Amino acid sequence: EMQLLESGGGLAQPGGSLRLSCAASGFTFGNYAMGWVRQAAGKGLEWVSGISGSGGTTYYADSVKGRFTISRDNSENTLYLQMNSLRAEDTALYYCAKTPALSTRNAFDIWGQGTMVTVSS
Amino acid sequence: EIVLTQSPGTLSLSPGERATLSCRASQSVSSSYLAWYQHKPGQAPRLLIYGASSRATGIPDRFSGGGSGTDFTLTISRLEPEDSAVYYCHQCGTSPYTFGQGTKLQIK
Repeated sequence: EMQLLESGGGLAQPGGSLRLSCAASGFTFGNYAMGWVRQAAGKGLEWVSGISGSGGTTYYADSVKGRFTISRDNSENTLYLQMNSLRAEDTALYYCAKTPALSTRNAFDIWGQGTMVTVSS
Repeated sequence: EIVLTQSPGTLSLSPGERATLSCRASQSVSSSYLAWYQHKPGQAPRLLIYGASSRATGIPDRFSGGGSGTDFTLTISRLEPEDSAVYYCHQCGTSPYTFGQGTKLQIK
């Protein structure tokens, strides 16, 4: 069974940093592009970032560009999101999601349960 | 950035009825890169439709997608109580990829 398990969420101060991880199992991780999607309380889904299967191509939402970095370790079957210069508006539930192909230009067919990030002083 | 506008914001229908949800893009989206998701509280989103009209694995044929260019629709025929959820459209063809703001479907 294909599964994604996020971790690393928690409380951070404005201007601080957090690193989210997403452990994948049940599929050949390096064969698929991955992404991060977030949802603030009472709001809709917001696409955050995507990375190709090889890790060579990355994309970001304008709201996080220059502050967040997506990466992956295909030998460890793990996706990461390094979040720096955190702001209150980054507070959200962060989902890790898988696409069915190497390219990021695909819908997300498998999702994790999410990890909560709270940015507050 | 391609803005996706979904309508209506909320839809209230009875079991057995048909729901039609709209997603309008601020610029043309290739049908290959338009998807629909179902999201229930406390659960992960679930892929329903990809490529504008292809059902994802395990999705019943009551769910269908259509449209092209800037106008796309998700149709749910023969509504069931478990269809109560928020539905999102998503374009993954032009970065930054984007989601619509969602349509909340309530089953009376």
